[in-house]
Amino acid sequence: SQQGEEDPQALSIQEGENATMNCSYKTSINNLQWYRQNSGRGLVHLILIRSNEREKHSGRLRVTLDTSKKSSSLLITASRAADTASYFCATDAGGSARQLTFGSGTQLTVLP
Amino acid sequence: NAGVTQTPKFQVLKTGQSMTLQCAQDMNHNSMYWYRQDPGMGLRLIYYSASEGTTDKGEVPNGYNVSRLNKREFSLRLESAAPSQTSVYFCASSESGDTQYFGPGTRLTVL
Repeated sequence: SQQGEEDPQALSIQEGENATMNCSYKTSINNLQWYRQNSGRGLVHLILIRSNEREKHSGRLRVTLDTSKKSSSLLITASRAADTASYFCATDAGGSARQLTFGSGTQLTVLP
Repeated sequence: NAGVTQTPKFQVLKTGQSMTLQCAQDMNHNSMYWYRQDPGMGLRLIYYSASEGTTDKGEVPNGYNVSRLNKREFSLRLESAAPSQTSVYFCASSESGDTQYFGPGTRLTVL
């Protein structure tokens, strides 16, 4: 079963606008990660936020985590056409192998 | 460094045929993973290997077997392919367990 569920499923914005994607999950987590997938390619790690953190920044990315609501959001500021991709949240519940459970993703299209 | 490599990139099988998907990583990571991705969905874990010599089932292991050949290599075998196994397969590796590094994927079609 998918632990994380992203919202919206698809998002289309103009270049320069901000894009916000949300992720909800069901069980306690050790950390939550966001990955990006360009069409036909593998996933690339973007950012990780631990369960004791509330907000994290990396370049144009801002991630928030609300463990009481079991939700996270990814904000991409000043979007570019090159940001067009699918974005997935993944939760790590801990354990020996640190398995990740992925959501179904948000397809972001940035129009030039 | 090549990172995580997978072979083949594409494969077409007939129902009942067998094949092995190969994965190798050159980052000296302990943990390796096999996922499948179906259209419009996220990745689902098939099998994982926390360290050399160990393997464990993930969310969707039925119809698959794995071998952790050594620290670098982790293969996925389909003994008798079925159309329901048509998917894109990704291998990943991780050292600390935090960040996973993914290969480019194998697109498998079972007719």
